[in-house]
Amino acid sequence: AQSVAQPEDQVNVAEGNPLTVKCTYSVSGNPYLFWYVQYPNRGLQFLLKYITGDNLVKGSYGFEAEFNKSQTSFHLKKPSALVSDSALYFCAVRPESGGGADGLTFGKGTHLIIQP
Amino acid sequence: KAGVTQTPRYLIKTRGQQVTLSCSPISGHRSVSWYQQTPGQGLQFLFEYFSETQRNKGNFPGRFSGRQFSNSRSEMNVSTLELGDSALYLCASSLLRHRSNTGELFFGEGSRLTVL
Repeated sequence: AQSVAQPEDQVNVAEGNPLTVKCTYSVSGNPYLFWYVQYPNRGLQFLLKYITGDNLVKGSYGFEAEFNKSQTSFHLKKPSALVSDSALYFCAVRPESGGGADGLTFGKGTHLIIQP
Repeated sequence: KAGVTQTPRYLIKTRGQQVTLSCSPISGHRSVSWYQQTPGQGLQFLFEYFSETQRNKGNFPGRFSGRQFSNSRSEMNVSTLELGDSALYLCASSLLRHRSNTGELFFGEGSRLTVL
């Protein structure tokens, strides 16, 4: 079965500084990887995905993520944080061969807090 | 294009009662999946419906059930409610089934269920 680990419950960053939200995964075969963001009392919004190709993928709102196969990681990054980036971020994985009985597997989420 | 619509947004029930939640997917989307979100367990996959058939099921007891109609709208039902069923229930839609889908899931804003 696939799994996702987000090792930090919370990440604090000063506005204007670069940010990183960490994600590692475990899956059989090649992974499909996703990042979603959730604002309070809202559903999840898609940020970006890695399916194949370039290891650096760019997404919405200036976010990007780097796929590292040897480290089984897919960290989310942004060069300059905004206060409005404060939210709950989820990393998710499914195998290329299909989700099996687990659908899309999400990490526990990381609260990102950007301080003015 | 209208997004994923979930009703009701908030509801309060007592132990032993049952509840039905509704989800209308994005027009043209045939896959509807359901997730339970709690602070302790995070996001957990409940089930996926595609073309009126349940395709995948997560590790939840039989009290959790669902169905999908010919117009792709879906309902989920929880019978004999327990305190631990208090959660945000999220519905997500996509064009294709999980195992064939390389794109993102589109989430509704959720139905927040409180069991007293």
